[in-house]
Amino acid sequence: ETGVTQTPRHLVMGMTNKKSLKCEQHLGHNAMYWYKQSAKKPLELMFVYNFKEQTENNSVPSRFSPECPNSSHLFLHLHTLQPEDSALYLCASSQGRDTSYEQYFGPGTRLTVT
Amino acid sequence: AQSVTQLDSQVPVFEEAPVELRCNYSSSVSVYLFWYVQYPNQGLQLLLKYLSGSTLVKGINGFEAEFNKSQTSFHLRKPSVHISDTAEYFCAVSDRDAGNMLTFGGGTRLMVKP
Repeated sequence: ETGVTQTPRHLVMGMTNKKSLKCEQHLGHNAMYWYKQSAKKPLELMFVYNFKEQTENNSVPSRFSPECPNSSHLFLHLHTLQPEDSALYLCASSQGRDTSYEQYFGPGTRLTVT
Repeated sequence: AQSVTQLDSQVPVFEEAPVELRCNYSSSVSVYLFWYVQYPNQGLQLLLKYLSGSTLVKGINGFEAEFNKSQTSFHLRKPSVHISDTAEYFCAVSDRDAGNMLTFGGGTRLMVKP
């Protein structure tokens, strides 16, 4: 595997379910990100991790819980979601946290909340 | 806070014609500017970026963009488009002094017709 991978690619869950999204980067980067891409809205940054430590939480509801066990893996734990949470969730990584570094994106997980 | 405006949500163009995708951002002392491309069912890929220096930036796939500080613009251009350029294009900006948060525009869908 190369680059940034995300699993699953598609997920349908009910409002009472608990699920997790997984992201893995094979680039040796130190910073990882979660973004939300909704229809008709700009891409929104959710969380940033640098060397496994969370450095940004962009006012994300607590029903989204990130986890970064090491610099290569990033998870997004989901529970009691709402239909408006349906979106494409993109993971990205970069060499460092400064935005001068290019961010490399995974293909995303298409989440549908029913 | 930064904001990015992509003036056109869709741009239809014939193959081999030139194209310009417009991007304006809110003013700041110093910024980094980016253009990303998203092909169907894929994550975002960096086309080009402006960090400093020459205001004309060349990127991949024959694209270029010009940073205009007085007009707070960073328009993307290509002299001759191909069918394969059909995709969604996103402009993004970050404030050099605001850490590692990218602010994205709403995107422009480029539709290249034969």
